[in-house]
Amino acid sequence: TQLLEQSPQFLSIQEGENLTVYCNSSSVFSSLQWYRQEPGEGPVLLVTVVTGGEVKKLKRLTFQFGDARKDSSLHITAAQPGDTGLYLCAGAGFKTIFGAGTRLFVKA
Amino acid sequence: EAGVVQSPRYKIIEKKQPVAFWCNPISGHNTLYWYRQNLGQGPELLIRYENEEAVDDSQLPKDRFSAERLKGVDSTLKIQPAELGDSAVYLCASSPGTSGATDTQYFGPGTRLTVL
Repeated sequence: TQLLEQSPQFLSIQEGENLTVYCNSSSVFSSLQWYRQEPGEGPVLLVTVVTGGEVKKLKRLTFQFGDARKDSSLHITAAQPGDTGLYLCAGAGFKTIFGAGTRLFVKA
Repeated sequence: EAGVVQSPRYKIIEKKQPVAFWCNPISGHNTLYWYRQNLGQGPELLIRYENEEAVDDSQLPKDRFSAERLKGVDSTLKIQPAELGDSAVYLCASSPGTSGATDTQYFGPGTRLTVL
């Protein structure tokens, strides 16, 4: 069974701080996606990483796929209250598997 | 472009009652997914359709859950009878179905089910 573990489960920080959240698995995925979900809404795709070692940037967000395609990280620089939400990673293999998410709260 | 539409947004029922959820995917999207998201967890796939064919229903509890996608467009997910443990958010998603594993899934807002 493929499992994705996300850490930390919960993170509360001040506006302007940097943070990194992690997504780890013992399984290899053909690609990995990061989503953000706000209360009462469905997840919204942020990025898809496909190649081992790949780094993608989306404004203040930096996503990295591990060399072995088993893990990924999301780094946010100078977090803002608008970054508050649930960050989910999802690995694509035979089917898409979601992690439990990291709930981020950025205080103004 | 309209997104994925789901109804109802909220449903409260008593256990042993039936319930149905409806999903209208993005126009032209061949692939449709139903997920269940329990509190504090990520979405868990229940069933995936490619056009009108259910290509992965291995996680669907078939004793009480059923789904259909008529004409390869709208879909309904039914639970009969509902149990307390079915309380969750039921998410529908669709994708163009052209890029395989990297296909972007577009999610609807979900239906929050509470079983009393």
